[in-house]
Amino acid sequence: QVELVESGGGVVPPGRSLRLSCAASGFTFKTFGMHWLRQAPGKGLEWVAMIWYDGSFQNYADSVTGRFTVSRDNSKNTLYLEMNNLRAEDTAVYYCAREAAGGSDYFDYWGQGTLVTVSS
Amino acid sequence: DIQMTQSPSSLSASVGDRVTFTCRASQGISEYLNWYQQKPGEAPKLLIYAASSLQSGVPPRFSGSKSGTDFTLTISGLQREDFATYFCQQSYKSPPTFGAGTRVEI
Repeated sequence: QVELVESGGGVVPPGRSLRLSCAASGFTFKTFGMHWLRQAPGKGLEWVAMIWYDGSFQNYADSVTGRFTVSRDNSKNTLYLEMNNLRAEDTAVYYCAREAAGGSDYFDYWGQGTLVTVSS
Repeated sequence: DIQMTQSPSSLSASVGDRVTFTCRASQGISEYLNWYQQKPGEAPKLLIYAASSLQSGVPPRFSGSKSGTDFTLTISGLQREDFATYFCQQSYKSPPTFGAGTRVEI
């Protein structure tokens, strides 16, 4: 069965960096676009970034452009999110999610999430 | 960005009730509207895609529809496990955006 497992969250001071990982299993990872989304405590859902199935194209929310980088290693079935210059407003649970169909921008499987807290 | 507005923000219901809630987009999105269910401490789960298509494995008591510019999610015969928050999401234009959610309470 499809499984997505995020890791790498934690508490980090403002201005520092963190890298999240998402290990995928149960499907042919290299054929699916992948996304990162986040949810601040008690808030709604916000899309963060996406990467094509082959890694050739990425897109970002305006709020993270220039600070976050999404990448993937299809040989390891793993998705990454490198987060630099973190701000308090980046505090959230970060989810990786599988794109339901090519270019569809909706998400049929989600990981359980990893909490990132930006605080001094 | 396309703004998604959900109503109501919360509602109280009982097991067995038929409940309906609404989502409206700030511009036309054709039928690129999806619904998710989220329970506390869990990831969202896809229920409905393309306005009215039931995701595999989702019980048929969930249904989605479109009328004019409004999209509706209906739960026919609310079950205890359906008490959760429901989010709509547009996939018409990047960035994908979500409504603020409707919380269904006992």
